[in-house]
Amino acid sequence: EAQVTQNPRYLITVTGKKLTVTCSQNMNHEYMSWYRQDPGLGLRQIYYSMNVEVTDKGDVPEGYKVSRKEKRNFPLILESPSPNQTSLYFCASSSTSGGALGTQYFGPGTRLLVL
Amino acid sequence: AQTVTQSQPEMSVQEAETVTLSCTYDTSESDYYLFWYKQPPSRQMILVIRQEAYKQQNATENRFSVNFQKAAKSFSLKISDSQLGDAAMYFCAYGNQGGKLIFGQGTELSVKP
Repeated sequence: EAQVTQNPRYLITVTGKKLTVTCSQNMNHEYMSWYRQDPGLGLRQIYYSMNVEVTDKGDVPEGYKVSRKEKRNFPLILESPSPNQTSLYFCASSSTSGGALGTQYFGPGTRLLVL
Repeated sequence: AQTVTQSQPEMSVQEAETVTLSCTYDTSESDYYLFWYKQPPSRQMILVIRQEAYKQQNATENRFSVNFQKAAKSFSLKISDSQLGDAAMYFCAYGNQGGKLIFGQGTELSVKP
C-alpha cells in the first residue's frame, strides 16, 4: 500500500530535550516536505526537499533541522524544543516527474506537546 | 512573497445543495499549481483537486470543480450535491516549481441534513 508513515504519532516532551520525528514514504517520490498546523493559521511549510541531499527552508524553519540522506526518509529534528513548537506536524511526499509538482500524499500527523 | 487567502472561516450548506468556497492568491510567478485539500475530523489531509496554472480548463473531480481565474488570481471550489461526508476543513494551497507550498487559513464547512 502506498503510504507516508510518521513516528511517533503522539509525543509529550520537555523543553530542551532533543527529539526526532521520522517520516518515510514507499512511493519512490523525489519530493518530501514538513508542515506544522496551528489553529487559525492553516499549514505552514517548515522545510522541503526536492531530492536526496537537497533541502530548502519553508516559511517557518527556525528551531528545526532536516536531512535527506535517502530518498525514502526525511526526519525532522528539534534540537532544543520549546513550548511554541507544540503543534500538529505533517510530512508529505510527491512525485516531480516531468518537472511538475504532483499530488502531495500526507502522513497521518504527529501531535507534539512541549512542556 | 506568495500568499493564499481564504476569506470565509466558516461555511454552511444544506445537504444536496451546492456551495462555493473562495480562495485568492498572490504571486509574481507564471508557472505554479493550485490545490484544494480536505481535512476531516480525523485530521488526515486528502487531496480534492489539483490545477496546473498553464491549463485554462478548470479541473473537475466528480462533484468537485474549480473556477480558476488566473488574471484575477482566484481559485474557488464548488461542491455540488453536498453530502454529510463533505463536512470538513478545506484548505486552498499554492505550490511552485521549486517545491514551496503555501496554504490558506482554511474554511470549515458544515453540512446540514
